Amino acid sequence: QQQVKQSPQSLIVQKGGISIINCAYENTAFDYFPWYQQFPGKGPALLIAIRPDVSEKKEGRFTISFNKSAKQFSLHIMDSQPGDSATYFCAASKEGSGNTPLVFGKGTRLSVIA
Amino acid sequence: DTAVSQTPKYLVTQMGNDKSIKCEQNLGHDTMYWYKQDSKKFLKIMFSYNNKELIINETVPNRFSPKSPDKAHLNLHINSLELGDSAVYFCASTRQRGLYGYTFGSGTRLTVV
Repeated sequence: QQQVKQSPQSLIVQKGGISIINCAYENTAFDYFPWYQQFPGKGPALLIAIRPDVSEKKEGRFTISFNKSAKQFSLHIMDSQPGDSATYFCAASKEGSGNTPLVFGKGTRLSVIA
Repeated sequence: DTAVSQTPKYLVTQMGNDKSIKCEQNLGHDTMYWYKQDSKKFLKIMFSYNNKELIINETVPNRFSPKSPDKAHLNLHINSLELGDSAVYFCASTRQRGLYGYTFGSGTRLTVV
């Protein structure tokens, strides 16, 4: 049973466009929702994260939107650049006491073309 | 450099052999993990250690045995390697049981032939 479902599997976006990746989770105990970026041959790197007490978090060109009632969250990359081409993973966990390790979505391969 | 470092980066070995992957973090984190990334890029938790104590052991074959000599190191030993063990193995660490996100190493690509 996959606890975090991610879509699309792959995404091609024109330079300057908006990239949108969606995730849905099942476990209502999850309280931490990060996005990771992975380049070929490298480990995943934390990009941005959100907790359920806010509905949106923005850091530069990257925005997470969070819908607690729908158990969904998404990553928006504004003004997408060729350097953003990578695999993106959403994840979820429960932090602190009774914590669970990060559970990852299956990843989205983003290609930004000029 | 502060980081999570894994060795070796590449490991090619024959079926039936025993091999180890080492991981060290100098971030002062309390919790360390091993993740397996398969050919489809799916990341799956294998083990979790907190201050040298095993706290999570997902359903992995008992041929895989983690060892943590101190809270900065978490090694992975694999016995009787099988073709299906071929994958990229990532070590990660975090402080305070998951707070503030994970830092991943750059991975060890294991190929069993």
